[in-house]
Amino acid sequence: DAGITQSPRHKVTETGTPVTLRCHQTENHRYMYWYRQDPGHGLRLIHYSYGVKDTDKGEVSDGYSVSRSKTEDFLLTLESATSSQTSVYFCAIGNEQFFGPGTRLTVL
Amino acid sequence: QKEVEQNSGPLSVPEGAIASLNCTYSDRGSQSFFWYRQYSGKSPELIMSIYSNGDKEDGRFTAQLNKASQYVSLLIRDSQPSDSATYLCAGTTAGANNLFFGTGTRLTVIP
Repeated sequence: DAGITQSPRHKVTETGTPVTLRCHQTENHRYMYWYRQDPGHGLRLIHYSYGVKDTDKGEVSDGYSVSRSKTEDFLLTLESATSSQTSVYFCAIGNEQFFGPGTRLTVL
Repeated sequence: QKEVEQNSGPLSVPEGAIASLNCTYSDRGSQSFFWYRQYSGKSPELIMSIYSNGDKEDGRFTAQLNKASQYVSLLIRDSQPSDSATYLCAGTTAGANNLFFGTGTRLTVIP
């Protein structure tokens, strides 16, 4: 997995609760990305980062925020989780985008 | 219109045959294209990248890019049951590193 880990790997939460997913890399890549993958939609970009404290929105950013205070960590936060955010979340790094193992999030 | 479109499949081929996966894209400024393989329940794995017109070969895999026709394809020769997976096509937007993914084509190689 090119030195990428994601935590947690699985999470079940309730509507309205905050959730933070973590992506950690050991490759010192400048670029990091958060995607969600849903049946029929494929992979969709949520947010991305091109350096520490430099982030930007992707295709489906509503309801999500991100932070990157260190090169190796990129955090994705759902401020108030909704059932529509039930999905598999993947982090990716680098220009050719090597993917982490994913986090399966269920919002009840 | 989606940025990247793939044949939704599913596609079934017998073991040893050539599997052909196709993808079209809408942004004429797209420069880089990638093919990923994703096994069920796993993360996407990069198998090929292609940046210029023509063919690029890597083992049993050949990627083809035709920018005039806005068309990308992946050929898998001597298909094996272990090639059974979903194949994702992705391309960059003009002037950016962001990737737009197709919805994937599910390939089954029948022993």
